[in-house]
Amino acid sequence: GAGVSQSPSNKVTEKGKDVELRCDPISGHTALYWYRQSLGQGLEFLIYFQGNSAPDKSGLPSDRFSAERTGGSVSTLTIQRTQQEDSAVYLCASSRTTGAYEQYFGPGTRLTVT
Amino acid sequence: GQQVMQIPQYQHVQEGEDFTTYCNSSTTLSNIQWYKQRPGGHPVFLIQLVKSGEVKKQKRLTFQFGEAKKNSSLHITATQTTDVGTYFCAAPYGGATNKLIFGTGTLLAVQP
Repeated sequence: GAGVSQSPSNKVTEKGKDVELRCDPISGHTALYWYRQSLGQGLEFLIYFQGNSAPDKSGLPSDRFSAERTGGSVSTLTIQRTQQEDSAVYLCASSRTTGAYEQYFGPGTRLTVT
Repeated sequence: GQQVMQIPQYQHVQEGEDFTTYCNSSTTLSNIQWYKQRPGGHPVFLIQLVKSGEVKKQKRLTFQFGEAKKNSSLHITATQTTDVGTYFCAAPYGGATNKLIFGTGTLLAVQP
């Protein structure tokens, strides 16, 4: 079946602008995650949605970052008043809740703040 | 807080040589997962280990979970250029089975 999709694949924005990144998880996956990966670095956890529970926002680096997940499916990560240090690849992943918990990653959105 | 460290950070091998990356946790883990990220790509799940002392093989890749469930290793026999990429271990964070903390990763370069 279809994997995790993300859009846009690349986004260049000016410092101070707001951006929205979209993630479409695998159908039936109740868990959805956002990560940030800077060049040559590991995966930095941002936020996690599980079914209808309140999201785990413990990884969001500042109040400029927010995310929502509508209808238990598509998720949008919003970064307000972007800064140059926000430049990174933003990865979305989804997983099933029961059984194995491996995460399936999307191709990512490369964000460049100029 | 919980940390998952990997060593080495970088390994350069000649094609045909073996490679091993190690993952160490400060706490006992319920399970551990391994992912591979090709250059310019996204992480792809390789395997999950659950039992103490568990060993699993995938062709030339051998994964091991320590007896104390605090460490794990990934060994590649006779590396090929297709093995190039960053290998991450990942483990459940703070008892939450769905939330993973990823290791720092090991970048493998294979020279033909």
